Formats: sequence, structure tokens, C-alpha cells
Amino acid sequence: DAGVIQSPRHEVTEMGQEVTLRCKPISGHDYLFWYRQTMMRGLELLIYFNNNVPIDDSGMPEDRFSAKMPNASFSTLKIQPSEPRDSAVYFCASSINGLYNEQFFGPGTRLTVL
Amino acid sequence: QQQVKQSPQSLIVQKGGIPIINCAYENTAFDYFPWYQQFPGKGPALLIAIRPDVSEKKEGRFTISFNKSAKQFSLHIMDSQPGDSATYFCAASSGGNTPLVFGKGTRLSVIA
Repeated sequence: DAGVIQSPRHEVTEMGQEVTLRCKPISGHDYLFWYRQTMMRGLELLIYFNNNVPIDDSGMPEDRFSAKMPNASFSTLKIQPSEPRDSAVYFCASSINGLYNEQFFGPGTRLTVL
Repeated sequence: QQQVKQSPQSLIVQKGGIPIINCAYENTAFDYFPWYQQFPGKGPALLIAIRPDVSEKKEGRFTISFNKSAKQFSLHIMDSQPGDSATYFCAASSGGNTPLVFGKGTRLSVIA
């Protein structure tokens, strides 16, 4: 099993540019989570999906952030326009429906906005 | 209500020592308490987890102690090794596939 796949692994962009982060969850997992990790705030949930449907997006910081899951094997997190304070590591995680939700994390995308 | 408070922020122990990391929560609806381990450049990975119907769970050198009345739980690492050097996160959720609420993390360094 390839695990959760994220791309790109590193992204450096300039303020104002659009950034798109991509995630492929583990096959058969029906929950997908997007987290952001910073030194100051730790791991924060941004949004999560169940069966491709967004369930809770209350963690999305602003309208500049949007996420989609067009099918069970692909999700995107888009930031438009990007700002320096968006610099962080963004993780995607997936889990299978069940009593205890072990979440499997991808390797993350390190985003730097100059 | 949703917060999970973790301490200490960082910890340095000698090889063979027993580092202890503590977490506290307020939300009494939480009923699943995992610990995740994260190495530099990697995503967090599940290490061990506990439900509140037991007070302790051991897996190898890792033990979770759980105190339901105090709403606290802790991770103990027996006979710590340099390879255990990582950041450890406690988390909590209220069952099923509800999202995890993470503590801020503890950076552990085990020195030989």
C-alpha cells in the first residue's frame, strides 16, 4: 500500500499567487482530512470530507482557502491569493469508517509564501 | 471545550530514561485518546491509543495511563532510545470518525 500521497512536497511561491495542494487518500478510505501545522498553533484541522462530501469546513481560515474532493481518490486544497502567513506544512490524512478513527497521514507539503 | 493541553513542550532524557508526556482535556464527550509520533519531514503516525474504559494500555515500551476523573492522560516511554527522538502529539475525539483535536506537541530528545 502506497499510503497517503501528497504533492508537491515543497512549494515556494510569491504573495498573491494561487497555490494548489493535492492529496490521494488510501484506497478504500472514506474520510479525508486536511490539517495545517505551524510552530505557533500546532496541528489544526482545516476541513474534512466523508464520501467526497465536505462535512466540516469551520477550520478553513478565510475565503482564500477552498477544498474539493471530486472523487474518492483525489482532493485539492487551494489558496488564492496566498499570503506569507499561509506558510506552513499542510497534511492530508485519511481514515476508514469505523469505531476508532486511526488517521493515516501523508508526508505533508511544506508551503513557503514569500 | 475542544482544547487538549499538552506538556512539556520539550524534553531531554538520557538513553534508558523514562520520559513522561502529559495531556489534559475538558470535553467529557471525548472517548478516544491516541498518541501520534512524528519524525522530521514526515507526517504523524499513530503510536498507541486508549479508550476511557481502561486506565492503562501497554504496547511494547510505550504505555498510556488514563485518569478519567481528572481528565488527564499521559505517555510513558520505557527504556528510551535515541531512535525515539521525535515529536509526540496527544489527541482526542468523541468517537467514530469525528476529527481529532491535537495537543501542541512535545519534542523529545533522547541522548546517548
